[in-house]
Amino acid sequence: QKEVEQDPGPLSVPEGAIVSLNCTYSNSAFQYFMWYRQYSRKGPELLMYTYSSGNKEDGRFTAQVDKSSKYISLFIRDSQPSDSATYLCAMNGPSYNTDKLIFGTGTRLQVFP
Amino acid sequence: DGGITQSPKYLFRKEGQNVTLSCEQNLNHDAMYWYRQDPGQGLRLIYYSQIVNDFQKGDIAEGYSVSREKKESFPLTVTSAQKNPTAFYLCASSIAAVETQYFGPGTRLLVL
Repeated sequence: QKEVEQDPGPLSVPEGAIVSLNCTYSNSAFQYFMWYRQYSRKGPELLMYTYSSGNKEDGRFTAQVDKSSKYISLFIRDSQPSDSATYLCAMNGPSYNTDKLIFGTGTRLQVFP
Repeated sequence: DGGITQSPKYLFRKEGQNVTLSCEQNLNHDAMYWYRQDPGQGLRLIYYSQIVNDFQKGDIAEGYSVSREKKESFPLTVTSAQKNPTAFYLCASSIAAVETQYFGPGTRLLVL
């Protein structure tokens, strides 16, 4: 079993839809959670960073962490064609063992006009 | 502008040849990383360095080598021992190991 599981998609939605992207993980020691967006043939760019449980909002993006269920989510409101990309979740921890980020395999999102 | 640069954007390797991928950052970050990305497999860690003159193997270090002689530079050499080198290679850096990582634009390596 992989430490981090992520549905590869592709997920295809119409413009304006609410998108939900998810990752599950097995290591209860993870404390730091990130979402990256990667456009085709480009490097990943950091979208959201959260510590421990709870929600974090930034514009149209909301990151949610449920440590009791070992489940994290990224919500995109009012999705746009420019949101079409691959979304990678990443996590590490605990604080004394954060040498490595563990990545999900990525979910490919397509937003059509 | 602060950031991470990788060169070249595309690199072609002949059989039995060693090639070196460049990664430079001007963010004053202590930690630097090399990942390999293959379709359907996500990012896999090759090597990482938390400080100058020190580096550790990641999950797939065989066939690769690195050096960290300067804080801003972390070149990766793909040796002839790496039998399946075709992939997208990504360099990243962070202020320290506990902090988030920022990525460069990547180098695509192809075998002739």
